[in-house]
Amino acid sequence: SQQGEEDPQALSIQEGENATMNCSYKTSINNLQWYRQNSGRGLVHLILIRSNEREKHSGRLRVTLDTSKKSSSLLITASRAADTASYFCATDAGSGGSNYKLTFGKGTLLTVNP
Amino acid sequence: DSGVTQTPKHLITATGQRVTLRCSPRSGDLSVYWYQQSLDQGLQFLIQYYNGEERAKGNILERFSAQQFPDLHSELNLSSLELGDSALYFCASSFSGYSSYNEQFFGPGTRLTVL
Repeated sequence: SQQGEEDPQALSIQEGENATMNCSYKTSINNLQWYRQNSGRGLVHLILIRSNEREKHSGRLRVTLDTSKKSSSLLITASRAADTASYFCATDAGSGGSNYKLTFGKGTLLTVNP
Repeated sequence: DSGVTQTPKHLITATGQRVTLRCSPRSGDLSVYWYQQSLDQGLQFLIQYYNGEERAKGNILERFSAQQFPDLHSELNLSSLELGDSALYFCASSFSGYSSYNEQFFGPGTRLTVL
């Protein structure tokens, strides 16, 4: 079963708008990562946020983590058509399981219309 | 370009057959991960090797096996193939053996079609 689940499943916006994607997970975690995948290609790592961090920025990306709600959000500001891709959150099993494997959600498909 | 290479890019084969997928990790990376991505199951972790030894196992079928060689490249062997094995197979690598503590670099994938 998936540890992380993204919401919404699909999101369509206009260029220049902000895009927000959410990820919820079930068990405690050490870290949460966000990845991006262009259609049919390999995933690209975007950002890693540790369980003791609440917010992290990288360029136009802003990630928040709320461990009390077991949720994270990824905000892409001033979106561009090139941001069109699927976005996945990935979590480990925290203290309750192996630190060796990541579990990916099913992803949010973001479409940015020019 | 992530630095991770996978061959072949595409593979078309028949049910019951056996195939081998190959992965070369980024220079300096010791861990190799294999994933299967399909429309219905999403991205599923199969197995991880670290410096030649199996480190973690996910949803890998008994018909599938993998190994990592002394030069750190890895092979994923899929046997007695079924229609449902058709998917994209990704290899990823990282320096550390702890996948949750660092990013993974993904290869371009091998698209397997079983007819």
